[in-house]
Amino acid sequence: QKEVEQDPGPLSVPEGAIVSLNCTYSNSAFQYFMWYRQYSRKGPELLMYTYSSGNKEDGRFTAQVDKSSKYISLFIRDSQPSDSATYLCAMSAATGNQFYFGTGTSLTVIP
Amino acid sequence: DSGVTQTPKHLITATGQRVTLRCSPRSGDLSVYWYQQSLDQGLQFLIQYYNGEERAKGNILERFSAQQFPDLHSELNLSSLELGDSALYFCASSALDPNTGELFFGEGSRLTVL
Repeated sequence: QKEVEQDPGPLSVPEGAIVSLNCTYSNSAFQYFMWYRQYSRKGPELLMYTYSSGNKEDGRFTAQVDKSSKYISLFIRDSQPSDSATYLCAMSAATGNQFYFGTGTSLTVIP
Repeated sequence: DSGVTQTPKHLITATGQRVTLRCSPRSGDLSVYWYQQSLDQGLQFLIQYYNGEERAKGNILERFSAQQFPDLHSELNLSSLELGDSALYFCASSALDPNTGELFFGEGSRLTVL
């Protein structure tokens, strides 16, 4: 079983739609949860960062962590064509340094 | 621009050969991470260095080795290359150790083994 599972998609939505991206994990020691965005032919860039359970909002983006279900989500409101990218979840334990990435979900927002 | 520089951007070589990938971290960052990204495996952690010392090791093959130099740049050496080594290799850096969240990635080195 992989440490982190993520549906690879691809996901295609019309502009303005609400997008929901999800990951599940198996290691209960994970405390730090991240979402990275990767545009084609570029390196991943950090989008959202949360510690432990709860929600975090940043503009059109909301990250949710449910540690009891070992499930994390990223919501994108009012999606834009510029949001078209691959979104990778990542997580690490309290000791840090070893990050476990999902395989990424490819998102296309159609104008 | 993340501030992390990787060279070369593209590399094509033959099976059995050896290549070296280079990474310059962001100014002031002491930690360097190497990742391999392939279509079916996603982003796989290879190895981390902090201020010249190996800090954490992931799924790095014995044919692969890395080091971090006193000026903090890092090199990833891949030898006896196989077709399956074709992938994108990313370097990332961070200022923190242990790092619990933010990695700054370079644009990657795309390796094609023929």
